[in-house]
Order: sequence, then structure tokens, then C-alpha cells
Amino acid sequence: GAVVSQHPSWVICKSGTSVKIECRSLDFQATTMFWYRQFPKQSLMLMATSNEGSKATYEQGVEKDKFLINHASLTLSTLTVTSAHPEDSSFYICSARPSGKGDEQFFGPGTRLTVL
Amino acid sequence: AQSVTQLDSQVPVFEEAPVELRCNYSSSVSVYLFWYVQYPNQGLQLLLKYLSGSTLVESINGFEAEFNKSQTSFHLRKPSVHISDTAEYFCAVSYSGGYNKLIFGAGTRLAVHP
Repeated sequence: GAVVSQHPSWVICKSGTSVKIECRSLDFQATTMFWYRQFPKQSLMLMATSNEGSKATYEQGVEKDKFLINHASLTLSTLTVTSAHPEDSSFYICSARPSGKGDEQFFGPGTRLTVL
Repeated sequence: AQSVTQLDSQVPVFEEAPVELRCNYSSSVSVYLFWYVQYPNQGLQLLLKYLSGSTLVESINGFEAEFNKSQTSFHLRKPSVHISDTAEYFCAVSYSGGYNKLIFGAGTRLAVHP
């Protein structure tokens, strides 16, 4: 139980295009999902907290107009990187916290984004 | 600023040897501490956690970690490692309580050799 999937697992795109990454909780409902970014050999850095049915809360320094987050259902959150540039190339990881519990976060396997 | 430091980016060790993965965090009044493990091509999995109570916490697969408030550390140990323990290990801290906001260390790659 408590499986979180991400799609795609990797994506290569041209500079200036937009890329959407999906995060799904497969066997539980998640009111709250988190999006992280990880640079090579560095920490996971929290980008934003996504709450179902409301606007995401972004961490300081994260451009909300560039990283659009939508959490339209209790099992799906999406991250759209708009007008991607090479510096956006990174590993993006989501996590989901089961609804109604002060429970742990369950992590997806991550999505590798490469912007050419 | 709040931060988590994992002092070793890589730790090579032979099978059945003991291992310690180090984690230090910036001081705070109250912290929750976690170790996550990431196997290749998989998501992070919670290995163990300290929320309150006993400062020594254990996982089901033989790992243990001790919360040391005076040294602001939460080192992970295992007395005898297996090949299957090869993975990336992340230390994480929540300064705001619970699982609301995790600050991660850079990770330590544990490589167990036969």
C-alpha cells in the first residue's frame, strides 16, 4: 500500500516549451502533496505544498508562474514547468500525505527533466 | 538558516561490516528527525523516525539511529550490512513539527561490496 507514481519518469524537451509532470497516489487519497527538486549530489529542496482544491503554497524563491501546480483531485497533482530553460533541468520528486492522518509522506520515484 | 548536513557523500563498506552514516542538523528548540532510503529507480522510503520519547530508534531491517540533542546529530548505524543495503540514504528534519515540511540532507550513497 501507499504507492505514489510519477509520469513521465524522464522527459527531454526543447527550450521554451512547457512540460507537465503528474503525481498520483495509487491506493490512498491525499489532501496534501509536496513537490521537491533535486540537483545532482544535492539535497531535495521543497518547492511547494499542494492542497487539493486550493492554491499551492510556494517556498521562498520558487516562481509560481513558472512552476504551475494543480491539485484537482485527491489522487492527482500536476507540476507544469512553463517555458522551460536548460537551468530547469533537474530531478523532480513528489510526495503525498494520506488524508485525515498526521501521517508520513510517501514519495514518488521522481521525474528526470532535461531541457535542451 | 535551517539545514541538514550529511558529511559523507559516499560510504563503501564490505558485507557484514558495521556502518555509520552521519547526519547533523542546525540547532532548534524542537525537531523531528527522519532517515529515508532510496533504492535504484524507486521513491524514497521511510527507514526510521524520531518524534519524541526514546532517543534510540530502530528499523525493522536492523538499522538504528540515536537522537543526540547536545551534538545536534542523528547518525544512522547498522552492525552488519548486507549487499541489499546498497542504496542512497537521506537524513531529513522537520522544524515545524510532524511531516509538514522536511529539510533534506544531500544524501549518502552506501555501497556494500562482497
